[in-house]
Amino acid sequence: KNEVEQSPQNLTAQEGEFITINCSYSVGISALHWLQQHPGGGIVSLFMLSSGKKKHGRLIATINIQEKHSSLHITASHPRDSAVYICAVRSNGNQFYFGTGTSLTVIP
Amino acid sequence: DSGVTQTPKHLITATGQRVTLRCSPRSGDLSVYWYQQSLDQGLQFLIQYYNGEERAKGNILERFSAQQFPDLHSELNLSSLELGDSALYFCASSAFFPDEQFFGPGTRLTVL
Repeated sequence: KNEVEQSPQNLTAQEGEFITINCSYSVGISALHWLQQHPGGGIVSLFMLSSGKKKHGRLIATINIQEKHSSLHITASHPRDSAVYICAVRSNGNQFYFGTGTSLTVIP
Repeated sequence: DSGVTQTPKHLITATGQRVTLRCSPRSGDLSVYWYQQSLDQGLQFLIQYYNGEERAKGNILERFSAQQFPDLHSELNLSSLELGDSALYFCASSAFFPDEQFFGPGTRLTVL
């Protein structure tokens, strides 16, 4: 059983569309991270959340601790947003668990 | 550029060998994390150090060990290598914990 589940696994969108990626987890957490991994392999941390909502530019991340659920939204998607998005949680037991990632392709 | 450096970038070695991967955290960051990313298992947490002390341990095999030195750089030692150890190994650093992590470019290890 995976402690972190992401959906969808794959997502294709037209440029300009609003995109939502979902993450559900089954453990108690101290923090949730959204990561972006480009085809070259490099990983960038987009957000770290422990409650509420955060916004960076066109990216918005929300978390509902009671429902153990987080969403990553991309507004006005662009081809450069094409990447794998990974949800990760730090459990209260100081372990990190990762989702399998959502592969996003944005078509011009 | 995240400010985290990892060497070497690529490493090709044979089964049974031992290798050392090196990570230099961002200036001022006290915490270092090691992760393994393989095709079949995805990203896995190996170990975390904070200011020289081990803080958390994940799925790190007994054949693997790590340490963080007084200058805060960290090394991950992999011994008795097996084909299944072939993976990308990422290091990340953060100022404190829990805190946003900054990832290095990774070391691609190939075991033949």
